[in-house]
Amino acid sequence: EVQLVESGGGLVQPGGSLKLSCAASGFTFSGSAMHWVRQASGKGLEWVGRIRSKANSYATAYAASVKGRFTISRDDSKNTAYLQMNSLKTEDTAVYYCTRPAVYYDILTGYSDNWFDPWGQGTLVTVSS
Amino acid sequence: DIQMTQSPSSLSASVGDRVTITCRASQSISSYLNWYQQKPGKAPKLLIYAASSLQSGVPSRFSGSGSGTDFTLTISSLQPEDFATYYCQQSYSTPPVFGQGTKLEIK
Repeated sequence: EVQLVESGGGLVQPGGSLKLSCAASGFTFSGSAMHWVRQASGKGLEWVGRIRSKANSYATAYAASVKGRFTISRDDSKNTAYLQMNSLKTEDTAVYYCTRPAVYYDILTGYSDNWFDPWGQGTLVTVSS
Repeated sequence: DIQMTQSPSSLSASVGDRVTITCRASQSISSYLNWYQQKPGKAPKLLIYAASSLQSGVPSRFSGSGSGTDFTLTISSLQPEDFATYYCQQSYSTPPVFGQGTKLEIK
C-alpha cells in the first residue's frame, strides 16, 4: 500500500523556521517526484512546490508565494521528502500535505500526464505570536 | 499561470439528485484535468484523472467530461457519503493550479 506520513508541524512565531517531513512507503520513492500542497483553514488547496527525482536532477519548483523562503529537499536513502520553511508569515498558517504524482506515459505517442495520488494526512503549521 | 474557476462555489442537493459541477480553465489544457473529493478534516482523494478516467475504487456514479477549457464532474445519484468539497486541478503546466472548490451540502 502506498502511504505518505507528514510530521513536524507546530506553532512558530512570525519570522521563524520549521521543517516538515514526509515519510513514504509502498512505492519506489527514489523514482518519484514529490509535491507539497497546503490548505488554510476554511480555504482551498494551494500548491506549494515540488522536487523531482535524481534522474531529473532533483529539480525544484515553487509557488510565487513561497519562493525564496521555502526549500524542498529529499533523502532517497530514507524515503523522505522535506519542506524547510523560513521567514514564516502568519499567512503561511495551514495544513500542509505531501502528495505523489502518479504518472502516465505512452511510449508510442509520447503523451504523458500526472495526478496527485495518494496524499498524506497533513500536518498543521500555525504561525502566530 | 493558468487559472481554474469552478462553479458553483456551493450547492445544496438531496440524496438521489443528479449533480453537475463545472470547471473552466483560463486557457486550453486539453484533457489535463483532475478532480478530487475532500471531506472535513481529511486529505483530498482522487476521483477522476485525465478529465474522464475513473480512479480505481471510485463508484461509477461519478463521471467526468470535457476538454480544452470546459470540464464537468457529474454525480448521477447523490449518496449521503458524497456530501463533501470537490476540487478540479490542471496538470497541463507548472504550477498545478486547483479550482477554488465546490462545497456540496445536504438540502
